[in-house]
Amino acid sequence: GQQVMQIPQYQHVQEGEDFTTYCNSSTTLSNIQWYKQRPGGHPVFLIQLVKSGEVKKQKRLTFQFGEAKKNSSLHITATQTTDVGTYFCAGISGTYKYIFGTGTRLKVLA
Amino acid sequence: GAGVSQTPSNKVTEKGKYVELRCDPISGHTALYWYRQSLGQGPEFLIYFQGTGAADDSGLPNDRFFAVRPEGSVSTLKIQRTERGDSAVYLCASSLNTGANVLTFGAGSRLTVL
Repeated sequence: GQQVMQIPQYQHVQEGEDFTTYCNSSTTLSNIQWYKQRPGGHPVFLIQLVKSGEVKKQKRLTFQFGEAKKNSSLHITATQTTDVGTYFCAGISGTYKYIFGTGTRLKVLA
Repeated sequence: GAGVSQTPSNKVTEKGKYVELRCDPISGHTALYWYRQSLGQGPEFLIYFQGTGAADDSGLPNDRFFAVRPEGSVSTLKIQRTERGDSAVYLCASSLNTGANVLTFGAGSRLTVL
């Protein structure tokens, strides 16, 4: 079945450093979404990408969808302690079930 | 309601017992999803409903798991003969419909099977 992998699994950064997580799907995706889950919380929607090669920005966050629509990335510029949490991508392929990636846990050291 | 509500927030049960987990989605959301999340893992798809019908139940691990949504709003996830491996946080999410829409998650029900 469809699998969505993310790397790295964990990332520790100093506050102010940049951070990137990569998402790779075993199948071509219709679209991809990104969610953030704070420690002890539930996933919260960040953004959706639909078009091949699409790039979207939200303040310090930059999201990219690959040309082949099988991979995506999330880049955070100048991390802050409020960025702590686990970032998940979720892909849709075919039916409308969202398959979540394995997640990247980000820790920001002040 | 304003958000997705899940009850109970915590459930501790003994191996072999039956449990029910309830999800009350955002009013007007026709699509409802159940996911299971183990510690350190991503949410694992179980089932989703469009209205009253289960549109895709391919993620249910076995026939001990069953979910219903009789009136197209509240949904109940039912687990029979619970096993220790069923321990996890069960997350419910709803969306406006099953198009490429945003999932709004509830706070989850933490199930512990002793």
